[in-house]
Amino acid sequence: DTAVSQTPKYLVTQMGNDKSIKCEQNLGHDTMYWYKQDSKKFLKIMFSYNNKELIINETVPNRFSPKSPDKAHLNLHINSLELGDSAVYFCASSQGGTAYGYTFGSGTRLTVV
Amino acid sequence: QQQVKQSPQSLIVQKGGISIINCAYENTAFDYFPWYQQFPGKGPALLIAIRPDVSEKKEGRFTISFNKSAKQFSLHIMDSQPGDSATYFCAASLSYGQNFVFGPGTRLSVLP
Repeated sequence: DTAVSQTPKYLVTQMGNDKSIKCEQNLGHDTMYWYKQDSKKFLKIMFSYNNKELIINETVPNRFSPKSPDKAHLNLHINSLELGDSAVYFCASSQGGTAYGYTFGSGTRLTVV
Repeated sequence: QQQVKQSPQSLIVQKGGISIINCAYENTAFDYFPWYQQFPGKGPALLIAIRPDVSEKKEGRFTISFNKSAKQFSLHIMDSQPGDSATYFCAASLSYGQNFVFGPGTRLSVLP
């Protein structure tokens, strides 16, 4: 199946831990994104990579670090997790920026306890 | 300038009725306006999109109406069905922009 796949789907962890979320797309898209969806469903962009190059880095704590080993993968590493990091994180991909819309993954629900 | 406003926050419609969700944007440079549909536990999925060279676009039961002078656009769902119950997001961007600005979402419930 052609898709954007994220792992894990659920992540429960304690404050202070470090965790990673992985994302892979097999759509041949050149741009990948991380969005955060808070408890009120608001979608806010965090990062965007185009062909492995960082092009958007919104005001996000530097505890969050994206890594793109190739244009099909964009991982998100979070250090020293805090309660406020609890949210659903979505990976998305697109071809040519926003011209034809995004394809989103199914999300990773992160709960920090 | 980058904000997209969306209303209502939630909407309850009877089966067979018309659901209408409205959005307004500020940045006159925006020229691509998609709507995304999100079911619980899933990622948003592109539903329908419009560019400002037309005032209306229809795909099946879903229609976008676009008013460039008012900087507003709306989603109309005709003959609403319980399966349409989801959260709907409007968004805006430049055609070849780097990212979308999303509205805050509308939770639609269609009663059987």
